[in-house]
Amino acid sequence: EVQLVQSGAEVKKPGESLKISCKGSGYTFTNYWIGWVRQMPGKGLEWMGIIYPDDSGTIYSPSFQGQVTISADKSISTAYVQWSSLKASDTAIYYCTRRETQYSGTYLQKTSDRFDPWGQGTLVTVSS
Amino acid sequence: EIVLTQSPGTLSLSPGERATLSCRASQTVSSSFLSWYQQKPGQAPRLLIYGVSGRATGIPDRFSGSGSGTDFTLTISRLEPEDFAVYYCLHYGSSPPRYTFGQGTKLEIK
Repeated sequence: EVQLVQSGAEVKKPGESLKISCKGSGYTFTNYWIGWVRQMPGKGLEWMGIIYPDDSGTIYSPSFQGQVTISADKSISTAYVQWSSLKASDTAIYYCTRRETQYSGTYLQKTSDRFDPWGQGTLVTVSS
Repeated sequence: EIVLTQSPGTLSLSPGERATLSCRASQTVSSSFLSWYQQKPGQAPRLLIYGVSGRATGIPDRFSGSGSGTDFTLTISRLEPEDFAVYYCLHYGSSPPRYTFGQGTKLEIK
């Protein structure tokens, strides 16, 4: 069974640093991109970025570029998001998810791109 | 930058009824890269539909997707009590690589 298991809830103060994790199992971790998605309290889903664990190639949403660092350690099948200096506005649930793509045809044209499955989420609370 | 607008914001229906949820893109997008997700309170999102009309593993056939160009629809043919949740559409754009979520439609029991 393909699974993504995230680290537990965190309570931090403004200005502190934090690194949360997402461990993949049941598949070859290095073959799939991992995405991160933020959900602020009572709000919708926001894409933060994706990482390819095999070479740590990363693509950030412009909204999150410079605000977080996405990384991965392929030796332990784990992806991370980290903050160097948290703000109250970072309070949210953070989800990791696996990027699934499909290709077909002679020239391997991409025919699908979606996120499946999802981790259970990590609640990050930043409060003084 | 593509913007996805979902409507209605809230949809109030009864079990057994048909639900039609809309996702409109601000410009023409590839239907291959449009997917739908269900999120229940306190749970992570779950993939329902991908490539506009493909159903994810384990998703009942009462869920279907359609559309092209700028207008996409998620239809739930006959609502079950467990279908009341928030639904999001998502698009992947390749130039530059970027994912965009719609703001969500809350499907509530009438």
